[in-house]
Amino acid sequence: DQQVKQNSPSLSVQEGRISILNCDYTNSMFDYFLWYKKYPAEGPTFLISISSIKDKNEDGRFTVFLNKSAKHLSLHIVPSQPGDSAVYFCAASGGGYQKVTFGTGTKLQVIP
Amino acid sequence: SAVISQKPSRDICQRGTSLTIQCQVDSQVTMMFWYRQQPGQSLTLIATANQGSEATYESGFVIDKFPISRPNLTFSTLTVSNMSPEDSSIYLCSVLGTGRGGVNTEAFFGQGTRLTVV
Repeated sequence: DQQVKQNSPSLSVQEGRISILNCDYTNSMFDYFLWYKKYPAEGPTFLISISSIKDKNEDGRFTVFLNKSAKHLSLHIVPSQPGDSAVYFCAASGGGYQKVTFGTGTKLQVIP
Repeated sequence: SAVISQKPSRDICQRGTSLTIQCQVDSQVTMMFWYRQQPGQSLTLIATANQGSEATYESGFVIDKFPISRPNLTFSTLTVSNMSPEDSSIYLCSVLGTGRGGVNTEAFFGQGTRLTVV
């Protein structure tokens, strides 16, 4: 039972354009959502998060949008840079000490 | 934030043998989490390691296969026992910490252990 789904295993974008990574979840108890970036041979690193009481959170080139009614969130990267090429994981939790559930990841390639 | 040191970073092991992975955190934490990432798959939680009590295992994972130790608040080990090629995966140690979203809202990870079983 995959509670957090990333339906696109890969995405290619030209440098300078927008990258949009999508994520869907099924558990309505999730109230905190995170995006992680992972380079090969490294552990995932936190990128940006959003609480369920918000519908948008922005941090520099990265913006996360949350649509609770659709149980959908997306990560926008503008402008995309070659250094953004990595695997991006969407994750969700019930907050606090509850475990974090991860999606399957989307491999982003930004083409110079 | 939390700094997590995990070792070994990679290993190639014979089937039927066991490997113990170590995880050291630079601060005291109540819970430590062990994940597995199989090729092309998501990060799957194996178990939660609590200091002073037995680990809590997720569905599909058992203590005999993945024994965990948690001797203190900064250290844990995960053993992959009686390995088979299906155990080839990246194993990751993680803790919850205070991130930009507040207390215990962000998961911090070690660099992972890439295990290949031949």
